[in-house]
Amino acid sequence: KAGVTQTPRYLIKTRGQQVTLSCSPISGHRSVSWYQQTPGQGLQFLFEYFSETQRNKGNFPGRFSGRQFSNSRSEMNVSTLELGDSALYLCASSLDGGAGELFFGEGSRLTVL
Amino acid sequence: GDSVTQMEGPVTLSEEAFLTINCTYTATGYPSLFWYVQYPGEGLQLLLKATKADDKGSNKGFEATYRKETTSFHLEKGSVQVSDSAVYFCALSEGGGSNYKLTFGKGTLLTVNP
Repeated sequence: KAGVTQTPRYLIKTRGQQVTLSCSPISGHRSVSWYQQTPGQGLQFLFEYFSETQRNKGNFPGRFSGRQFSNSRSEMNVSTLELGDSALYLCASSLDGGAGELFFGEGSRLTVL
Repeated sequence: GDSVTQMEGPVTLSEEAFLTINCTYTATGYPSLFWYVQYPGEGLQLLLKATKADDKGSNKGFEATYRKETTSFHLEKGSVQVSDSAVYFCALSEGGGSNYKLTFGKGTLLTVNP
């Protein structure tokens, strides 16, 4: 069974640009959530989607957005990039997003110059 | 809001040593508790979990007991191996997961030397 796939794995952008990250969940999983991982703040919750609906959102500015498609694949977008957005962005999938196990991808490492 | 506090380390041990990584939490309800592990260059994977007070989660020789009275979920292993070198994250899910997110501690880097 294929795991959670995130693309691209690495990318470099400059301030002011925007970026789109993609996540393909494990087959059959309908919940996709996104986390930002940085050395200073650790892992912080961005948002969670289930059946194309955002059910919860973390404390991030509106420049961070996401969506989920009917096949459960998800994308997140960051507009007007800032240096502080440099991080590892992790996607996780689960059957229903509840208290069960989250399955994480390897992440997309974004560097903003 | 919910929060998780864990010893940040780094922790360096010799092979076969005893491991304890402390984790305490603050939550308004009755959270589920988790330990996740991140090996170098990989995403996080669930190590063990406990969903109610006094539950003991265990996996791969690691154990943690959900202590409601001390709001703790300390991770222990009796004899660590070099292959256990990784970053360990304590996490909670509030209210049975009804808010659909995990709150993580900042992680503890464990290095095990041969």
